[in-house]
Amino acid sequence: SQTIHQWPATLVQPVGSPLSLECTVEGTSNPNLYWYRQAAGRGLQLLFYSVGIGQISSEVPQNLSASRPQDRQFILSSKKLLLSDSGFYLCAWGRMTGVGGYTFGSGTRLTVV
Amino acid sequence: AQSVTQPDIHITVSEGASLELRCNYSYGATPYLFWYVQSPGQGLQLLLKYFSGDTLVQGIKGFEAEFKRSQSSFNLRKPSVHWSDAAEYFCAVGDGQAGTALIFGKGTTLSVSS
Repeated sequence: SQTIHQWPATLVQPVGSPLSLECTVEGTSNPNLYWYRQAAGRGLQLLFYSVGIGQISSEVPQNLSASRPQDRQFILSSKKLLLSDSGFYLCAWGRMTGVGGYTFGSGTRLTVV
Repeated sequence: AQSVTQPDIHITVSEGASLELRCNYSYGATPYLFWYVQSPGQGLQLLLKYFSGDTLVQGIKGFEAEFKRSQSSFNLRKPSVHWSDAAEYFCAVGDGQAGTALIFGKGTTLSVSS
């Protein structure tokens, strides 16, 4: 069966520090991968998605970047965090067609102080 | 532009009462529709999905949803709510095409009173 792992679960980082959140998927190949950010009252904001290694689509201009160095690995990064980067970050994977919906990771609570 | 609207930000129902969460979408193509549930501090879990066929779809945990094309709606229902159903619920729409992402509504928070 397919599983998705996301870590860390919680993170407190000072303003200006770098960020690296990792997401890996097991039990499938060529998944579509997604990074969402969730803020209270704003629902889910799509940040990045990837349909293959090295292929990244950015939905929102921001202080973040994403990379996909391997088929089942998706990394969210920042060189210098801002206070506004605080939030709940969710990784998800879906099949190529998107028909089956997504499977989400358990999320990372990021607090920038 | 594609969009999903969940008109109710917060709903409170009594345990054992029926539930209906509303979802309206704006989508040019034939939509693929989903409902997700999120417990506090957790990821999202898929409750049910609609692609085609019977417009009434059954999901996990006793939930069902009905697709009404004429109303551009996909409302989620449950005949009898349990305290454990308290969570946030998200409606989402997609087109089933490779390389596109689901669009999510802003969510409805469900509280269950005893």
